[in-house]
Amino acid sequence: DIQMTQSPSSLSAFVGDSVTITCRASQGISNYLAWFQQKPGKAPKSLIYAASSLQSGVPSRFSGSGSGRDFTLTISSLQPEDFATYYCQQYNSYPYTFGQGTKLEIK
Amino acid sequence: EVQLVESGGGLVQPGGSLRLSCAASGFTFSDHYMDWVRQAPGKGLEWVGRTRNKANSYTTEYAASVKGRFTISRDDSKNSVYLQMTSLKTEDTAVYYCARAQGLQVDYWGQGTLVTVSS
Repeated sequence: DIQMTQSPSSLSAFVGDSVTITCRASQGISNYLAWFQQKPGKAPKSLIYAASSLQSGVPSRFSGSGSGRDFTLTISSLQPEDFATYYCQQYNSYPYTFGQGTKLEIK
Repeated sequence: EVQLVESGGGLVQPGGSLRLSCAASGFTFSDHYMDWVRQAPGKGLEWVGRTRNKANSYTTEYAASVKGRFTISRDDSKNSVYLQMTSLKTEDTAVYYCARAQGLQVDYWGQGTLVTVSS
């Protein structure tokens, strides 16, 4: 199985800051990488697919990049509603696997 | 508007069985692959499995942790996908989400249903 490792596991930032979360795959996954946002007690929300394509309705302050093994999610100009937990997921091969999550907290 | 509504969760004893349902609306259900994803209390997301569409013979994929115990099926006439869970273990306790796939990637999620496996 492909292991997905996110870093950091948690981070804190101010409203207005820019933050970057990284996700590394244990083997190459081309660009078959998705990012999800989850708020406490809520279902996940899809943000990005194919490493860098935004899902419909997702604000442009979210961006993704990467290919192969290394990927990043960047949130520019953080808004209060962006404080949540973020997960990456590879869908290059079965079984699909998620990273362990990155909790983004307000400073 | 795409809607996915799970049901069927509850308390079950270890070794027992449970069937979850997910009712879909707002899109052409038969065109899409459908996934189940779970989240144990306080833990991260775990992909459970997938059913492909009719064009791909309704074939399925499973995580190793549930293979042989869980079965995903669908009824396109009812716009529904199901997760039959047998030989349940305490570690299967989780919120179970169904999710729609657009192509290979998930784009919409249901609100989840809680399954508690405990004696």
